[in-house]
Amino acid sequence: EVQLVESGGGLVQPGGSLRLSCVASRFTFSSYWINWVRQAPGKGLEWVANTRPDGSDKFYVDSVKGRFTISRDNAKNSAYLQMNGLRVDDTAVYYCLSGAGYWGQGTLVTVSS
Amino acid sequence: QAVVTQEPSLTVSPGGTVTFTCGSSTGSVTTKHYAFWFQQKPGQAPTTLICDTTNKPSWTPARFSGSLVGGKAALILSGAQPEDEADYYCLLVYGGVVIFGGGTQLTVL
Repeated sequence: EVQLVESGGGLVQPGGSLRLSCVASRFTFSSYWINWVRQAPGKGLEWVANTRPDGSDKFYVDSVKGRFTISRDNAKNSAYLQMNGLRVDDTAVYYCLSGAGYWGQGTLVTVSS
Repeated sequence: QAVVTQEPSLTVSPGGTVTFTCGSSTGSVTTKHYAFWFQQKPGQAPTTLICDTTNKPSWTPARFSGSLVGGKAALILSGAQPEDEADYYCLLVYGGVVIFGGGTQLTVL
């Protein structure tokens, strides 16, 4: 069974940092774009960032530019989202989404004092 | 920045057909927007129904299909089932930047 498994979420104070991980199995991870998508409580889906299959280009939603960094390690079938300068409005479930259409189960990030 | 628009809500009768649309504030949606469609049920992660405008992953039920209609991306559900009641989201790609629509809540009634 194809899997994407996120980890790294948790409770953090405003201004803090977290690093999310997304590990893929049983599909050709390195052939596809990888996206991070978030969903605030009771809200819709919001795209956060993505990177090309080879990691050469990276794109971000304006609200996280300069604070979040996406990366990937195809040798480890993994993608990461380094989140710095976290704000209360970053509170959400964070999902990874492969260009092949696979989703992870999500990891909850709560930013609160 | 572009805005992607979806119907806030739709209602379909069991066995009926319903069309969801996904429009772009920048103009007509084309295959270069690589439209994706997703279904999300309460408390669950989304699942992908359609990739790249028309392509169906192996797990997508045959009653769902994707196309371009009237300058918009469209998701057509033919033969709605009670279990299709859910939120439906589209996304469009603008040269690497991805924008989601606001989602459509589908009621099967």
